[in-house]
Amino acid sequence: NAGVTQTPKFRVLKTGQSMTLLCAQDMNHEYMYWYRQDPGMGLRLIHYSVGEGTTAKGEVPDGYNVSRLKKQNFLLGLESAAPSQTSVYFCASRGIAYNEQFFGPGTRLTVL
Amino acid sequence: GQQLNQSPQSMFIQEGEDVSMNCTSSSIFNTWLWYKQDPGEGPVLLIALYKAGELTSNGRLTAQFGITRKDSFLNISASIPSDVGIYFCAGENTGNQFYFGTGTSLTVIP
Repeated sequence: NAGVTQTPKFRVLKTGQSMTLLCAQDMNHEYMYWYRQDPGMGLRLIHYSVGEGTTAKGEVPDGYNVSRLKKQNFLLGLESAAPSQTSVYFCASRGIAYNEQFFGPGTRLTVL
Repeated sequence: GQQLNQSPQSMFIQEGEDVSMNCTSSSIFNTWLWYKQDPGEGPVLLIALYKAGELTSNGRLTAQFGITRKDSFLNISASIPSDVGIYFCAGENTGNQFYFGTGTSLTVIP
C-alpha cells in the first residue's frame, strides 16, 4: 500500500516548455487535489476532482490543466511554463466519508 | 481566496516547554484540520475537528474547533526535539475545498 505517489520528484524546465505531473493513489479515494506551496504562503489549491472524469478549479487554476481519466490517477499539466510556476507541487487524496487528506511527497519544479 | 491567518509565524522553545498556536479565518468552516510538515515531505494529518466547540487530543497534541467556527488552536505539551517542523492549519467549506494557513515553524532547542 504505497498511499499517494508523485512523479517526477524534481524537474527543471525552460520558459515555454510543457510538462505533466502524475499523481497516483491506491486507496480507492474519490477526491484528489493538486496544490502548490510557495515560501510564506502555505498550500494553495490549483484544481481538484470529486470523482473519475470530473475536475474543478481551485484557488489558483490559471496556467494549469488537469485530467482524471482513471480514479487512481490525477494529472497536472503545464502547457507553457512560466517562472512564476516555480514551486513545490503536492497531490492529495481523500475518501468520501472523512475530510482527512493524504499527501504525496511533492514535486519540486523550477522554471528558468 | 479565503485567508487563514496563522500565528505565530515561528517559535523557538526549549525542550519540555508547552507550545500554543492558532488559526483564524474571516469565513466559517465546517472542518478544521492540523498538519505537520517535515522538510522535503508532504504534510501529515495530526488532528481533525468536525464540530464547533470540539476539543480533541492525540497524544501530547490537543486541538479545539472554535465555537464561532472561524478559529482553531493547537497545543503541544512537553515538547521534544522531533516536534520540529512546520505546522499548518486548514479549513474546509461546503465546496469540498481546503484552505491552508501560512504555517508556524517550530524549533525545539534541546
